[in-house]
Amino acid sequence: SQQGEEDPQALSIQEGENATMNCSYKTSINNLQWYRQNSGRGLVHLILIRSNEREKHSGRLRVTLDTSKKSSSLLITASRAADTASYFCATDSNDYKLSFGAGTTVTVRA
Amino acid sequence: DAGITQSPRYKITETGRQVTLMCHQTWSHSYMFWYRQDLGHGLRLIYYSAAADITDKGEVPDGYVVSRSKTENFPLTLESATRSQTSVYFCASRLLSGDGYTFGSGTRLTVV
Repeated sequence: SQQGEEDPQALSIQEGENATMNCSYKTSINNLQWYRQNSGRGLVHLILIRSNEREKHSGRLRVTLDTSKKSSSLLITASRAADTASYFCATDSNDYKLSFGAGTTVTVRA
Repeated sequence: DAGITQSPRYKITETGRQVTLMCHQTWSHSYMFWYRQDLGHGLRLIYYSAAADITDKGEVPDGYVVSRSKTENFPLTLESATRSQTSVYFCASRLLSGDGYTFGSGTRLTVV
């Protein structure tokens, strides 16, 4: 069964706008990771946040983690057409294998 | 750098046939994984391996067999393919527990 669930399922934004997606999970975690998947391709690791961290940045990406609410958010700032993809959160819960959510599909309109 | 490669990229097979999907990584990563991706289900773990000769079942292992005689290879075999196994299959690896995964490009398998 999936540990993480993303919200919303789909998101459409204008180029230059920010995109925010959320992930909720059920059990305690070691870390939470976000991945991007372009159409027809494999998943690409974007960022990892550990359970003792609250916020992390990587370029235009900002990830937050609230372990008390068992939730995380991914913010993509100043979106570009190349950001059009599906985004997945994945939780690592002490057993070295990741559990993925169903993903958020982001469409960036020119 | 080759990284992690999957073959074939596309495969059509008939119900009841045995088919093997290949996965090869060039980094000597300890951990390797097989996932299937289906619309509405996200990625589901089929089998994983912590090292050569160590494999374990994931969430949806029925109908699949894996082996890992060498660290770099982790083939997935469908013993008798069924239509419900039509899916996109991804292989992934990670060096250490707690690292991010690196994924292959996937194999799109159609069982007719």
